[in-house]
Amino acid sequence: AQSVTQLDSQVPVFEEAPVELRCNYSSSVSVYLFWYVQYPNQGLQLLLKYLSGSTLVKGINGFEAEFNKSQTSFHLRKPSVHISDTAEYFCAVSRYTGKLIFGQGTTLQVKP
Amino acid sequence: EAGVAQSPRYKIIEKRQSVAFWCNPISGHATLYWYQQILGQGPKLLIQFQNNGVVDDSQLPKDRFSAERLKGVDSTLKIQPAKLEDSAVYLCASSLNGDTEAFFGQGTRLTVV
Repeated sequence: AQSVTQLDSQVPVFEEAPVELRCNYSSSVSVYLFWYVQYPNQGLQLLLKYLSGSTLVKGINGFEAEFNKSQTSFHLRKPSVHISDTAEYFCAVSRYTGKLIFGQGTTLQVKP
Repeated sequence: EAGVAQSPRYKIIEKRQSVAFWCNPISGHATLYWYQQILGQGPKLLIQFQNNGVVDDSQLPKDRFSAERLKGVDSTLKIQPAKLEDSAVYLCASSLNGDTEAFFGQGTRLTVV
């Protein structure tokens, strides 16, 4: 079975500062990894995904994530955040790119 | 391209009542998912369809929840009778097939009082 742990429930950060949202996963088999963003009263939007190949994955809105197999981590980073990045972020795993197992979510609060 | 459509957006019912949610996936998408997202938690898969067949319903509380996708296109999720702990956002998602990216609808927020 797979599981996902997002290490921070809330991350406050000032505008234009860098941010890292941490995600660890557990699985006995190879998995695909995803980061989704959820704005208030909206559905989930895919930020980026790791299926295979380069361990550094670039996504939309300037976000990137690095797959680290030895540490079973997939942390999300952005070098400079904007107020509009304030949202809930979910890390997820899948054995196929179908059924997703989500973490608890991290609330990113960008302050002016 | 139209996205995944869900209705209603919001629903308030009393416990022990029944409720139904509707989802219209992206045209041509064979795989459809229903997720339950309780406040403060990540979404949890309730059921996955491939065309009109059920692929995974292992986490669907079958004593009160049911779902169908009779013609392999749109889908309905029903709760009967509802409990207070069913208060959540119900998200529908679809993908071209079971191994491609899933696209999510805006969800239906259910409040059971």
